[in-house]
Formats: sequence, structure tokens, C-alpha cells
Amino acid sequence: DTEVTQTPKHLVMGMTNKKSLKCEQHMGHRAMYWYKQKAKKPPELMFVYSYEKLSINESVPSRFSPECPNSSLLNLHLHALQPEDSALYLCASSLLAGVGTGELFFGEGSRLTVL
Amino acid sequence: GQNIDQPTEMTATEGAIVQINCTYQTSGFNGLFWYQQHAGEAPTFLSYNVLDGLEEKGRFSSFLSRSKGYSYLLLKELQMKDSASYLCAVRDSNDYKLSFGAGTTVTVRA
Repeated sequence: DTEVTQTPKHLVMGMTNKKSLKCEQHMGHRAMYWYKQKAKKPPELMFVYSYEKLSINESVPSRFSPECPNSSLLNLHLHALQPEDSALYLCASSLLAGVGTGELFFGEGSRLTVL
Repeated sequence: GQNIDQPTEMTATEGAIVQINCTYQTSGFNGLFWYQQHAGEAPTFLSYNVLDGLEEKGRFSSFLSRSKGYSYLLLKELQMKDSASYLCAVRDSNDYKLSFGAGTTVTVRA
């Protein structure tokens, strides 16, 4: 199994809603990532978890709250988002953070629209 | 941090060769990656260079010159399915973060 699975694929939410994005991998990877990608722009790093601990937070607003319940799961909790937060949210994993090739395996993303 | 530059768009004919250049500036270098991303899909890993030289993998090759802060991705025998965005990404040795260039959209025409 070389897949990173993200749900939901599409999400539309209002600015007062609370929702969550979910990510799962069963490759035994110990590093997991959240990236944000706007149209025709490169992915931008948001958070890095290494061994289920948050190791990097790229000064992301607190309305985005990551959670890593175990080594296979990564969540992104969303609350009071703004329309400019509409984007493709990509989850990725790698064997370890920053070691070896560091090849990232990406999920297909969750396309978020904030109304 | 990094400053990564690559052309916005390139067009080539089926069966031809295309070379996508990437230049970067970084305070600490720990590897350069190329990813392919089809519209609406996840990026997929193509290649990794950490030492100078050419890495060949089938129809795709990637070259790195650390002293020049330069890499290229060479796509040979282009196929229609190669139409995609190609992302150059550099890993920083200080914090191991991977930063992406804006991507080069390659269009393959019959």
C-alpha cells in the first residue's frame, strides 16, 4: 500500500462552520505533512509532524488546528475560516522527516471552498 | 529560506525532448526534487539529486550543479500523458523543510 488517502475530496463550508480534513497512510511513515496549494501556485508547507509530535508550524493562523492521533492518521481541524482560505489542502508523508531521500508521498488533496 | 525559479510554461511536440530548468538560492542545501502534478491530482515524485551530475530514470533525467544552484529535468520521447505541471523543490539543510518552485506547465501537442 503506497497510498495516502484524504477525505473528503471536496468540502464547502461557511465561515462559522467547524469541519475537519482527514489523512491516512499505512506505509509505516513517521513524518506527515499538511500543505496548502492555491490555483497555479506551488504547495506551501503548513505543518510537519514527526513521530506524532508537531515539529514545524509555519506560522499558520490558529483557525487551522492540526492533530496526529497516531502514526497513521493526521487531521486538520478548521474553524472560523475566511474565503481566502479556499484552496487545495494536500497531506503528505515520508519515511522520516529530513532523512535520506525524504521523498514525499502526497494524497490527492481536499478541495476546500469557504463561502 | 529558498528562492526557486523555473519557467511558467513550455510546449513541445509528441516524441520530442523538453528540458525544464530550475535555479535556486538557499542558505543550506540538502537535496533537490522534481515532482509531476497533473491537473486536479496529487504531486508524484520523479527524481532526487543531492550530488552533482545526472540521474537517469527511464525517459526522465535530472541534473544538478550545486555550485551554480542549477538543475534541469529532461523529458525524452514525450507522450501526451506527460502534459502536466513539473515542480522543482529544494530541501533546506537547516530545518529539512521542502520548498517548491511555482511549477512549469508542460503541454505536449500531437
